[in-house]
Amino acid sequence: AQSVTQPDIHITVSEGASLELRCNYSYGATPYLFWYVQSPGQGLQLLLKYFSGDTLVQGIKGFEAEFKRSQSSFNLRKPSVHWSDAAEYFCAGASGGGADGLTFGKGTHLIIQP
Amino acid sequence: DAGVIQSPRHEVTEMGQEVTLRCKPISGHNSLFWYRQTMMRGLELLIYFNNNVPIDDSGMPEDRFSAKMPNASFSTLKIQPSEPRDSAVYFCASSRVGATQETQYFGPGTRLLVL
Repeated sequence: AQSVTQPDIHITVSEGASLELRCNYSYGATPYLFWYVQSPGQGLQLLLKYFSGDTLVQGIKGFEAEFKRSQSSFNLRKPSVHWSDAAEYFCAGASGGGADGLTFGKGTHLIIQP
Repeated sequence: DAGVIQSPRHEVTEMGQEVTLRCKPISGHNSLFWYRQTMMRGLELLIYFNNNVPIDDSGMPEDRFSAKMPNASFSTLKIQPSEPRDSAVYFCASSRVGATQETQYFGPGTRLLVL
């Protein structure tokens, strides 16, 4: 079965420090991968996506993610976090070949320490 | 672009009542998705449509749930009768799909509380 796993339920990072959120996937073929962010009481906003090509993808708000086929991972990174980055982050995957529902990880809650 | 529009934003109802959630996708998008978010189960796909046709409803929890898309600009998710365990945030998303997967854009969600 297709699945997306986010091993960390909570992550605490000091403001200005670097960030890495982990995501692992299990798909028969290379999936389409996404990172979304959700602020409290809000909908989901797309940070970045990977379809094919360059394995390092740049997103909004200074985020980037690297697709590593050998590790079945798609980790999200940011070199220096801001207090406004505190939110819930979701990794999601979908099979290729047209419209398909997303399979989400359980999410990682990011806490920023002053 | 107005984005995906959902209504109502909040709904409080009593067990046994009918609940109808509404969604207007982004103009020009041809796929529409309904998701549910709960603390226990996270975000899960309920059903999705391509060109107004339901493609996969395997995520619909039971017969009390039904979804329709009468035209390209409107969809409803109905729960009848509602139960307290249906309390959740329901998201609608839309995308423009051609030969490959396109980005899904999410609405703000409807927060449903069934008492």
